[in-house]
Amino acid sequence: AQKITQTQPGMFVQEKEAVTLDCTYDTSDPSYGLFWYKQPSSGEMIFLIYQGSYDQQNATEGRYSLNFQKARKSANLVISASQLGDSAMYFCAMREGSSGNTGKLIFGQGTTLQVKP
Amino acid sequence: NAGVTQTPKFRILKIGQSMTLQCTQDMNHNYMYWYRQDPGMGLKLIYYSVGAGITDKGEVPNGYNVSRSTTEDFPLRLELAAPSQTSVYFCASSYIGTGANVLTFGAGSRLTVL
Repeated sequence: AQKITQTQPGMFVQEKEAVTLDCTYDTSDPSYGLFWYKQPSSGEMIFLIYQGSYDQQNATEGRYSLNFQKARKSANLVISASQLGDSAMYFCAMREGSSGNTGKLIFGQGTTLQVKP
Repeated sequence: NAGVTQTPKFRILKIGQSMTLQCTQDMNHNYMYWYRQDPGMGLKLIYYSVGAGITDKGEVPNGYNVSRSTTEDFPLRLELAAPSQTSVYFCASSYIGTGANVLTFGAGSRLTVL
């Protein structure tokens, strides 16, 4: 069965430093997508970055990059040059592609990131 | 362009009461979803819809019902509310085609059952 695991309940990072949030996944489907969402204290879910299982390059979006290691089934989020506004809960999520591509996402339990000034 | 709009934002229910959480999207997305998020946890899928008139169960459907009479609207009905349904509910939508098919979420509805 598909599963997403985020093993870091909480993380601290100094402002302007880089931080890596871990995510491992389990699926037998060769076609899948991996997503990262940010949930600030206000509660909304904000899409950050996407990686397809067949993408050759690691995804990047501004200060966000996804360290995709397919053999290890990991999809870690790297935030460079952390800002105070990056303090939030971060969720890793996966979508399997072969089940009719319904777009359904499975979410991990999240990692709370706190950026220190 | 409002995106995904959920109402109400907050609601307190008594055990056994019923209510409907409203969700509407103006992006002409074909797929819509309802998730719930319990404190400190990730989101779990309750129901989803692949188009008007078509709905299907997710991981945690018990105690809920949905309908999708139009492309824009996807209400979630809670019958006989129980304390276990205290949660934050998120509606989301997506255009499923090629590419990332990113889900766009509403702002959430916080429900407390006492």
